[in-house]
Parts: sequence; C-alpha cells; structure tokens
Amino acid sequence: VQLLESGGGLVEPGGSLRLSCAASGFTFKMEAISWVRQAPGKGPEWVSLVSGSGATTYYADSVKGRFTVSRDNSRNTAYLQVDSLRVDDTAIYYCAKYSTIIGWNGPLESWGQGTLVTVSS
Amino acid sequence: DIVMTQFPATLSVSPGERATLSCRASQSVGSSLAWYQRKPGQAPRLLIYAASTRATGIPDRFSGSGSGTEFTLTISSLQSEDFALYFCQQYGDWPPYTFGPGTKLEI
Repeated sequence: VQLLESGGGLVEPGGSLRLSCAASGFTFKMEAISWVRQAPGKGPEWVSLVSGSGATTYYADSVKGRFTVSRDNSRNTAYLQVDSLRVDDTAIYYCAKYSTIIGWNGPLESWGQGTLVTVSS
Repeated sequence: DIVMTQFPATLSVSPGERATLSCRASQSVGSSLAWYQRKPGQAPRLLIYAASTRATGIPDRFSGSGSGTEFTLTISSLQSEDFALYFCQQYGDWPPYTFGPGTKLEI
C-alpha cells in the first residue's frame, strides 16, 4: 500500500490549493479515504472522509464549507480542495486509508507522508 | 465531540526500560481506540487498534489495554527506534474522529 500526497505549498490567507493523494497497492475504489492534518505543536485533526464511490463525504466543522473532498477512481487519486484558507489551516496534510475488513468504523491503517500547507501573508 | 487527552506530554526513558503512555477519552468509546507512532518526516504508523490488538507487523513489545475512557500503551524494553511521537485516536463516535495531542517519547 502506498499513499503519496502532493499539492501543498505557501499560500496567502484567503487563497486556495488542491491537494492530491495518489494511491497504489490496493483496490482504490473499494476503500474510503480520510484526510488528517497536524499543525505544528498540536495533535492530529481529522479533516474529511470520502467513501470508496465518492458518494458519501464527511467534514470536520472547522473546514465545512471551505474544503471539498473528492476522488477519481480511474486515476486512483483522492483530492482535497482547500479554499478560503486561514492562518490556522497551516499544517501537514495526510491522506490515509482504513482497514479493508473494518472500514471507516475502524482505525486508519495506512498513511502517506503528508504535504505541507503554509498559510501566511 | 469526544476530547482525547494524553499524558505525560513528554516521557524520558532509557533504552531497555519500559514506557507507559496514557490516553483518556472525555466519554466512553468502548474499545474503539487506536495508537499510532510518528517519526519526523515519516508517515504515521498504526500500532494498536481495538484498544489491544496489534496491527500487522508490530513487534510484541508494544501492547495496549483499557476500555471505556482510560487506555494505556506499554512498550516493554525500549529500542532506539521506538523514540518517537505517539498519539491515540478514538473511532467509536464519529464524525469527527478525534485524536490526542500526543506523547513524545525521548531518550
């Protein structure tokens, strides 16, 4: 299993980015994907989940209305569109998958190495 | 939302000794608790799920216990590669999944 995030960078407050999570080593369309972020000096924060089909999504209250999760199963890639960025969105953003057996009512079995988003003027 | 706390924030232990890390949930999560390890520049690694089940490939020096609101991760006979950040996560009542702030295990 491999998950590889990309798309992070330095952006001004109010700006946007699209983060990507390229997956391999498993049947991508069958697995939900979550995005989790970790700001400097803080614990991880779950951000969003997209089901295997893409039909079901969930968001943390802190990003609802600003972030949009999606996926392209033909490309084995999940996306997190991050808009209206704020300074406190600065974090490493990880994508992660669940156990095939347990699914989204279980732990995050595999994670990528993350992509850094820095929001600053 | 369920709030997760961890203590201590930093734990200093010598190689070969035992480390005990604690995690507390603000309300019961049953056994729906996972522990992860994170090293700088690396992907987080699932260690324990269902409070006490080791994930695939995790050495048996790692063990988890607890249920409800109180959980413990024990690492017996610490190896040099075990010095890292550890955090717990509840998945019993979501969304949102919530994580603890982490315990830094240092030499």
